[in-house]
Amino acid sequence: DIQMTQSPSSLSASVGDTVTITCRASQDISDYLVWFQQKPGKAPKSLISGASNLQDDVPSRFSGSGSGTHFTLTITSLQPEDFATYSCHQYHSYPITFGQGTRLDIK
Amino acid sequence: QVQLQQGGAGLLKPSETLSLTCAVYGGSFSGHYWSWVRQPPGKGLEWIGEINQNGGYNYNPSLKSRVTMSRDTSKNQFSLKLTSVTAADTALYYCAKGVWELRFQSWGQGAPVTVSS
Repeated sequence: DIQMTQSPSSLSASVGDTVTITCRASQDISDYLVWFQQKPGKAPKSLISGASNLQDDVPSRFSGSGSGTHFTLTITSLQPEDFATYSCHQYHSYPITFGQGTRLDIK
Repeated sequence: QVQLQQGGAGLLKPSETLSLTCAVYGGSFSGHYWSWVRQPPGKGLEWIGEINQNGGYNYNPSLKSRVTMSRDTSKNQFSLKLTSVTAADTALYYCAKGVWELRFQSWGQGAPVTVSS
């Protein structure tokens, strides 16, 4: 199985800050990576597919980059609604595997 | 806009069989992937398996011996069965619909399942 490792596991930031979350794959997954957001009691919401393709209903302050084994999710100008848990998953190989999540809290 | 409505048992005893359904409103099965994902309390997501766009099945090897997925096109729903459950199967179970490059595009509301004697 491809292992997906996220860092950090948690971070604190303030409204208006820029944050970056990293996802590393245990082997080359090209750009077959999705980032998604999860809030307590809610189903996950996909933000970015193909490592860098923003979904239609996602604000442009979210961006993704990377390929191979190293990927980043950047959120600029944090808004109150952005405080949530962010995770990645790969769809390069079966089984589909997820990162353990990064919890973004308000400082 | 496709909506997924989940149903199924919430409390099971060890060794029982978990059965969940996911009703699909506003869409058809063709050309999409239909998945099950679970999230144990306080942990990350785990992919259980999927029905692919050709009607084939892909399962997580870690669960494959206990998992059966099916779909009923007449009822526009798909199902998950997980046999011989243990406490380790306690989780929030989600169904999801997507395409190859965005496998979990739409999600069900989640169905909490607790396994306890």
